[in-house]
Amino acid sequence: DTGVSQNPRHKITKRGQNVTFRCDPISEHNRLYWYRQTLGQGPEFLTYFQNEAQLEKSRLLSDRFSAERPKGSFSTLEIQRTEQGDSAMYLCASTGAYEQYFGPGTRLTVT
Amino acid sequence: AQSVTQLDSQVPVFEEAPVELRCNYSSSVSVYLFWYVQYPNQGLQLLLKYLSGSTLVESINGFEAEFNKSQTSFHLRKPSVHISDTAEYFCAVRKENTGFQKLVFGTGTRLLVSP
Repeated sequence: DTGVSQNPRHKITKRGQNVTFRCDPISEHNRLYWYRQTLGQGPEFLTYFQNEAQLEKSRLLSDRFSAERPKGSFSTLEIQRTEQGDSAMYLCASTGAYEQYFGPGTRLTVT
Repeated sequence: AQSVTQLDSQVPVFEEAPVELRCNYSSSVSVYLFWYVQYPNQGLQLLLKYLSGSTLVESINGFEAEFNKSQTSFHLRKPSVHISDTAEYFCAVRKENTGFQKLVFGTGTRLLVSP
């Protein structure tokens, strides 16, 4: 257990529905990252928060994706109008001095 | 930009045999290097990291990796593997000394240890 939690662990949704994932980082960490991992690939960066500010976004993050981190605590990642190509593991990580600590991930399946 | 290459998608090995998982990286700036391990349906766990100093770094469970700047490599080794080492291993890099610490991962190597 790294101290980073994610909910839900699994989500099955129908194409076109909206989904929201939550990440609770290690409490003293002010930096938080979201990554997406598709089958057979390494994780790819999606977005970065320092406290409540979203400072970086990848081109992978289409307009259907939005992320928030109110009050610099937990973070949410929402996907609107899901597509089958959104099926993946969504990983959250919070950062210490040098290394990132990953949560267990949310596996999204879009049918 | 940084990139990571893990040429071996899968490495089968017998229990108690030695293993090496290869990682090569590309970067125009100095980087920090990491190995993460992922067990099925779980997140990533940090195995070891190279930040500076001795080029040979070790983990608590017998893995070691050596940073070779001239060959831009950070290969992972273990002299004797266990069944429980079966997992996916990811090599990752990020720029040194920046607030923004985006990790760039390789595609992973699946280590399969059989009795």
